[in-house]
Amino acid sequence: QVQLQESGPGLVKPLQTLYLICSVSGDSISSGGHFWNWVRQRPGRGLEWIGYVDYSGSAYYIPSLRSRVSMSVDTSQYQLSLKLQAMTAEDTAVYYCVRSYFYDTTGDHPRGPFDHWGQGKLVTVSS
Amino acid sequence: DIVLTQSPDSLAVSLGERATINCKSSQSVLYGSKNQNYLAWFQKKPGQPPKLLMYWASTRESGVPERFSGSGSGKDFTLTIGRVRAEDVALYYCQQYYSIPWTFGQGTKVEIK
Repeated sequence: QVQLQESGPGLVKPLQTLYLICSVSGDSISSGGHFWNWVRQRPGRGLEWIGYVDYSGSAYYIPSLRSRVSMSVDTSQYQLSLKLQAMTAEDTAVYYCVRSYFYDTTGDHPRGPFDHWGQGKLVTVSS
Repeated sequence: DIVLTQSPDSLAVSLGERATINCKSSQSVLYGSKNQNYLAWFQKKPGQPPKLLMYWASTRESGVPERFSGSGSGKDFTLTIGRVRAEDVALYYCQQYYSIPWTFGQGTKVEIK
């Protein structure tokens, strides 16, 4: 049974950097059969995909966050991480880590449905 | 970017009645060489993560009740709840994984009348 669990601070001050960890159990991050996403939901708004990282550390980020975000994998620790710099109130959200299974590629990017979600971590940006 | 527009934004149905949610894509999400529509549906309840209901537009995820079904191809898709139960009250989102960036519809709220 695959499980994903986000952890990290629930409160971040404006302009600080957010670090979130996603711990994965029941699956091998290094298998290559999956890739790993971060999705957020801001209050009163829909779901927003932030980007993905694969087992090799290759990543893609959405343009609106590309200058502030990075994702990485630690296969030895079965963990993923999300780093988001210069946080503002607009970044207040529930952050989810999400597994996709690798089906095929489009250009340089893997494709496949999101099949397992973590419970989510509420992060509030406030002084 | 592919824009997914869901309709309606909300609907109220009686218990046991059918609920239909539409998702229209700004571009086709059908990959012809594999004849697959790269579209999924999720159910979101308060305080819970989204739950995958359907993928490839019409493949039901393991454990999802048969009253949930997906249809459509290309740019137009539908999620149908055959006989709505109280536990189906939730937000429903479509999502495309055809073209980066992956995008979601704005959501449709299903309530009981």
